[in-house]
Amino acid sequence: QKEVEQDPGPLSVPEGAIVSLNCTYSNSAFQYFMWYRQYSRKGPELLMYTYSSGNKEDGRFTAQVDKSSKYISLFIRDSQPSDSATYLCAMGYMDSNYQLIWGAGTKLIIKP
Amino acid sequence: DAMVIQNPRYQVTQFGKPVTLSCSQTLNHNVMYWYQQKSSQAPKLLFHYYDKDFNNEADTPDNFQSRRPNTSFCFLDIRSPGLGDAAMYLCATSSRGVTEAFFGQGTRLTVV
Repeated sequence: QKEVEQDPGPLSVPEGAIVSLNCTYSNSAFQYFMWYRQYSRKGPELLMYTYSSGNKEDGRFTAQVDKSSKYISLFIRDSQPSDSATYLCAMGYMDSNYQLIWGAGTKLIIKP
Repeated sequence: DAMVIQNPRYQVTQFGKPVTLSCSQTLNHNVMYWYQQKSSQAPKLLFHYYDKDFNNEADTPDNFQSRRPNTSFCFLDIRSPGLGDAAMYLCATSSRGVTEAFFGQGTRLTVV
């Protein structure tokens, strides 16, 4: 079993829809959780970063962490075609020697 | 305004011919990482530097080497590239005690 599981998609939704992207994990030691967005042929770009359970909002993006269920989500409101990209979750813990554990990424397609 | 700069963006090399990829950063971050990312896969950590301290992942092939002559620059040397080394190579940085990583745009390596 992988430490971090993420559905590769593709996930295709119409413009304006609310998008939900998810990762599950098995290591209860993970302390911090990140979402990266990666456009085709580009490097990943950090979107959201959180330590704690609960919700964190930034514009149209909301990151949700449920440590009891070992489940994290990224919600995108009012989705735009420019949101079409691969979304990768990543997580780690303080004693991990700076290593992040990555999901494989979900490819998201927003149809105009 | 690019903070992590990778050169070149695209590199074509011959099978077995040594190649060097470069990364520079303007963030003055202590930690620099090299990742390998193949199509539709999560980034795979090859090694990282904490200042000048080099940390090699256990499963990084001996064919891959790295140098960090100063805080700003880091190089990835592939001594004898094979067809299986064709991938996107990502450089990232982070600051001591801060866990989110900032990525460059990547170098896409093709081996012919």
